[in-house]
Amino acid sequence: DAKTTQPNSMESNEEEPVHLPCNHSTISGTDYIHWYRQLPSQGPEYVIHGLTSNVNNRMASLAIAEDRKSSTLILHRATLRDAAVYYCIRLSGSARQLTFGSGTQLTVLP
Amino acid sequence: NAGVTQTPKFRILKIGQSMTLQCAQDMNHNYMYWYRQDPGMGLKLIYYSVGAGITDKGEVPNGYNVSRSTTEYFPLRLELAAPSQTSVYFCASSFSGTGSGGYTFGSGTRLTVV
Repeated sequence: DAKTTQPNSMESNEEEPVHLPCNHSTISGTDYIHWYRQLPSQGPEYVIHGLTSNVNNRMASLAIAEDRKSSTLILHRATLRDAAVYYCIRLSGSARQLTFGSGTQLTVLP
Repeated sequence: NAGVTQTPKFRILKIGQSMTLQCAQDMNHNYMYWYRQDPGMGLKLIYYSVGAGITDKGEVPNGYNVSRSTTEYFPLRLELAAPSQTSVYFCASSFSGTGSGGYTFGSGTRLTVV
């Protein structure tokens, strides 16, 4: 099963850090972990991805547990424009197609 | 760099009509995908392609067909449209299928079948 488990919704205050958790307990050793976000009425947008080590880019950080059964997306300073549905995806399948779950709806409060 | 371009953005079809959703990418990506997203739900994979001339079914292929004659284009064909095909359709592409790079999505085609 390529599904991941995320909370349905989370809230954060503007300009505070946000930690979005994801469980992927059946992940295999070669499966990458990807995060995407989707703003209202837009297509999904790539945020970050990783395999084993923690990763940073201009948008976010990704912390991957040592056993790789869970990961956390970290937005260092949430803004109102970060309000979106965040999808944690474990890549699998012959063409490594993205399998979307229901994601986490992030609300950012001013 | 345009990325992934989808046309049209909106379309209303009558039951039984046919149409082709267009998808083009200018990043020389080998892998391309078609997803549909029903209201309040996550995306579901319809078809995908790992290169020109090679396509395969995803999770929800019934009622759709695809072709991939070139690297750049990956059109999705709806034959005999049904109300159940009312959805937002997204095309995506990636350079490789290993997951070592990000996937790029188009802005979507919103289709209503009446």
